[in-house]
Amino acid sequence: QVLLVESGGGLVKPGGSLRLSCAASGFTFTQYYITWIRQAPGRGLEWVSYTSTSSTFANYADSVKGRFTISRDTAKRSVYLQMNSLRVEDTAVYYCARDLGLGVLDAWGKGTTVTVSS
Amino acid sequence: QSVLTQSPSVSGTPGQRVTISCSSSSSNIGSETLNWYQQVPGTAPKLLIYSNNQRPSGVPDRFSGSKSGTSASLAISGLQSEDEADYYCAAWDDRLNGYVFGTGTKVTVL
Repeated sequence: QVLLVESGGGLVKPGGSLRLSCAASGFTFTQYYITWIRQAPGRGLEWVSYTSTSSTFANYADSVKGRFTISRDTAKRSVYLQMNSLRVEDTAVYYCARDLGLGVLDAWGKGTTVTVSS
Repeated sequence: QSVLTQSPSVSGTPGQRVTISCSSSSSNIGSETLNWYQQVPGTAPKLLIYSNNQRPSGVPDRFSGSKSGTSASLAISGLQSEDEADYYCAAWDDRLNGYVFGTGTKVTVL
């Protein structure tokens, strides 16, 4: 079955960096966009970034633009989110999801927790 | 940035029908399809409705969606205890070149 597994979360100080991974299985990885979404404690869902099938296209929410970089490795069937210059407000559970386009995210991972605190 | 506004909370007794609304502050959402996600506390969101009114395989037919202009709604008929969750609408925003999520609605089964 379709499976997405996030990893790489943890505790980091403001200004620090983390790299999240999203390992995909159970589907043809090269045929799907992958999207990252986050959820701050007690808050709603926030779109973070997406990458196209061949990494040709990517975009970011204004809140992370210039600090986060999304990439994908076809051989490893993985998508990465490099997060630099982290801020306290980046504290959240980060989910990756399979993206069918037009806001249709039909499979989600269980999430990985990022805590930015001094 | 576009905002999708939802009623903060709705409640009902088992068997009742409840409706969740989602309205857009931007006309660029009006031409896009709306999707709905269900998030049971402590778990990842799950796709509930896509393209305004389509149910993925496995979603019970007591969940239904509709859209008119820049507003949409999700209806749950025959409310069950396992429907207690947070519900989010979402859409693609052409100007943002990204996704917009609604503010979320908490459904409580009394």
